[in-house]
Amino acid sequence: DTAVSQTPKYLVTQMGNDKSIKCEQNLGHDTMYWYKQDSKKFLKIMFSYNNKELIINETVPNRFSPKSPDKAHLNLHINSLELGDSAVYFCASSQGTGGRDEQYFGPGTRLTVT
Amino acid sequence: GQNIDQPTEMTATEGAIVQINCTYQTSGFNGLFWYQQHAGEAPTFLSYNVLDGLEEKGRFSSFLSRSKGYSYLLLKELQMKDSASYLCAVRASTDSWGKLQFGAGTQVVVTP
Repeated sequence: DTAVSQTPKYLVTQMGNDKSIKCEQNLGHDTMYWYKQDSKKFLKIMFSYNNKELIINETVPNRFSPKSPDKAHLNLHINSLELGDSAVYFCASSQGTGGRDEQYFGPGTRLTVT
Repeated sequence: GQNIDQPTEMTATEGAIVQINCTYQTSGFNGLFWYQQHAGEAPTFLSYNVLDGLEEKGRFSSFLSRSKGYSYLLLKELQMKDSASYLCAVRASTDSWGKLQFGAGTQVVVTP
């Protein structure tokens, strides 16, 4: 039983292309997140949704557009891919947004832009 | 801005103890998390501290001093499978909606 799943696991594409990454959680959580982990292993928050509403929107190029069709899904669409977008993208979810609400991470999507 | 510092790498022998320090400077404080991340895998939750003191969970313990902006993760009776990156993450009180700021992680290498 996978708690937080992402597809695809690997994505290799050329500069200028548009791609999407999908995330689903079966934990019944209210909040979902997108993180980017670069080559230096820094994990940085990009977006967060709570009950389908955008609640965190970090300084991310507007080529990145998240979409939450329902509480269990959070997708990430990236337009006009650039070399610097190469990274591992992690989806995560949590029951709430306070206290000790731990975040559960998906397996990650390794994006390589050539 | 937020600043979270942890050593880049630590090496220890199987069966030994390793202490990973984390110092933070944030706008207020509302909890600190430790996560473990094996190479090529997702981070997994290890511990949470919001009050000063030690939280023990099996072979792993985490300590917090809010006045010093300091935490450590203690790994006892090291096993080869403990070789991983350990991420310190802080929730600042000025950050709403569960936002976590992560450190760069400490790579722990366990040798036989």
